[in-house]
This record gives sequence, structure tokens and C-alpha cells, in this order.
Amino acid sequence: AQKVTQAQTEISVVEKEDVTLDCVYETRDTTYYLFWYKQPPSGELVFLIRRNSFDEQNEISGRYSWNFQKSTSSFNFTITASQVVDSAVYFCALSAREGTGANSKLTFGKGITLSVRP
Amino acid sequence: DAMVIQNPRYQVTQFGKPVTLSCSQTLNHNVMYWYQQKSSQAPKLLFHYYDKDFNNEADTPDNFQSRRPNTSFCFLDIRSPGLGDAAMYLCATSRETGEETQYFGPGTRLLVL
Repeated sequence: AQKVTQAQTEISVVEKEDVTLDCVYETRDTTYYLFWYKQPPSGELVFLIRRNSFDEQNEISGRYSWNFQKSTSSFNFTITASQVVDSAVYFCALSAREGTGANSKLTFGKGITLSVRP
Repeated sequence: DAMVIQNPRYQVTQFGKPVTLSCSQTLNHNVMYWYQQKSSQAPKLLFHYYDKDFNNEADTPDNFQSRRPNTSFCFLDIRSPGLGDAAMYLCATSRETGEETQYFGPGTRLLVL
């Protein structure tokens, strides 16, 4: 069965600090996809990134960067120079077929609440 | 802009009174999903439609039903809401199932009195 673990539940930082959100996943499949979503207080889940299991290249988008390491089954997310607007719940998610041929579902971690203080 | 729209954003209903939540999309995606999210929890998939094909999750209560009259619209019907059904309901769409990115609407927050 597939599983996503976000061990950190709440993180609080001061503005301009860098912060890393951890994500560890489990799947038996060799082909899978990893996602990060941001959920601000308004409630909408905002898509941030999608990464397939064959692409281990790290990605940077502005202040956001992602470190994908298959060897440790991790897909960590770093925010550089955090801002108050980054305050939100961040979910890591996994999609894998688990070899059944059935359509795969999105498995979410429990989310990390990030608070950025001025 | 192409998007996923949910109405209303807030819905108050009475215990046992049927309620319908709506979702529409301009992305022309094949798949539409309904999730339930309770406070401080991850979203939980209730069901999804691939085109007109309905796919129910095994643990979704019978109290929850869905309709998809056309590609653009999908409805969530709660036949007899209980206090435990108070939650955020999120609609999402994707081009295909599986590894395709799901795009979420703003959600409808349901309060049951």
C-alpha cells in the first residue's frame, strides 16, 4: 500500500528564514508521481509541483525548491527567505498504481502547518 | 481564466435536511473528484467521475451521492446531513486519472446545525 509521511506537524519561523518541509513516501510501484499542494487559510488547495519517479533532478521556482531523493524515498520542499504569505498548510501527495492496473488515487500526507511571523 | 468553481463557498444546513453542493470547471477535464476535509486532516476522497462513469470509494457512506449531468458540472448531494458531516468539501478535476495533476476549487465549507 502507498503511504506518505509528513513527520513535522507544525513549524514556526520568522520572516526571511529558510524552512524545509519533509516528505517521505512508500510505494511498491516503480512508476509514481509526487506532488506538493499549499492550502492557505482560505481553504483552496493550490498545486505547487508534480514530479515523476524517473526525474530526480531538483527543481527551483523562485523562492521554492524541491529535493527528490529516491534512495531515501524523500521529496522535501524548501522555502527560501520565507514571507508571511507563505503561512499555510502544505500537503505532500503520492500517486501510484501499485501494480493492480487500477486507476491510482492521490494519497495525501497529514500536512504541515507553517506559520511565518513578521 | 480556466478554473474550478464551487458554489456556495459557505453552506449552512439543518440536521437531516438534504443539501447540494455544486462544482463547475472550464478546464474540459475528463475527471471530477469530490473530497471531504475535516479540520486539521488531509482531504479524503469520496468518489470521482471519469466522464459519465461513477467511481465510489468503498468507505464513502450511502448518505453521499453525486451527479454529473455534463462535462462541466458535478454535484454532491448529502441526503440527510449529520453533525459529523460538517467539513470542507473540495472539488477537483484532472485530465485523466492516476498520475495527472488534480486542480482544486476553493471549497465549500458546510455547517450542520
